[in-house]
Amino acid sequence: DQQVKQNSPSLSVQEGRISILNCDYTNSMFDYFLWYKKYPAEGPTFLISISSIKDKNEDGRFTVFLNKSAKHLSLHIVPSQPGDSAVYFCAALKGAQKLVFGQGTRLTINP
Amino acid sequence: ETGVTQTPRHLVMGMTNKKSLKCEQHLGHNAMYWYKQSAKKPLELMFVYNFKEQTENNSVPSRFSPECPNSSHLFLHLHTLQPEDSALYLCASSQELGGPLKGAFFGQGTRLTVV
Repeated sequence: DQQVKQNSPSLSVQEGRISILNCDYTNSMFDYFLWYKKYPAEGPTFLISISSIKDKNEDGRFTVFLNKSAKHLSLHIVPSQPGDSAVYFCAALKGAQKLVFGQGTRLTINP
Repeated sequence: ETGVTQTPRHLVMGMTNKKSLKCEQHLGHNAMYWYKQSAKKPLELMFVYNFKEQTENNSVPSRFSPECPNSSHLFLHLHTLQPEDSALYLCASSQELGGPLKGAFFGQGTRLTVV
């Protein structure tokens, strides 16, 4: 049973436009949600997180929105830049250590 | 440079071989993790160590045996693996349990192929 789902395996966005990456989850007991970014041949790097008691967190060009009633979160990147091309993983934290990941979405930013 | 180093980067092993994956961090972190990423599947947590003590074993088969001799080093000993164990194995560390709240640091991974 996959508790965190990223239903779009890939997304293409033009440079300068907004990129919206989506994630759905099934377990209402998750405490935090996180986004990681992964370049080829590198490990994932932490990007931004949001507590389950909040509905928005912003950090520069990156904003994460949480809709608890819909069990849905999204990552907005604006404006999108070529260096943002990577695989983005949504993850959810249950308790202190159990990080559950989605399958990832490959984002391609076109010049 | 993420601060978490994994060796080897690539490993091909037969089903009867014994090999070990190594992870090293000098970030002063207290928690270390092994994750597995199979093709087209999410990252799966395998083991968690906190202050050298194993605190989580996520129902991992015994052919995978972790070892944490100190807070800076984590090993994954492999023995009689199956072809379906072929995957990317990622090590991560965080300042403390719950460190993912501030972002765990991942290594580059070991691409394992079992033949």
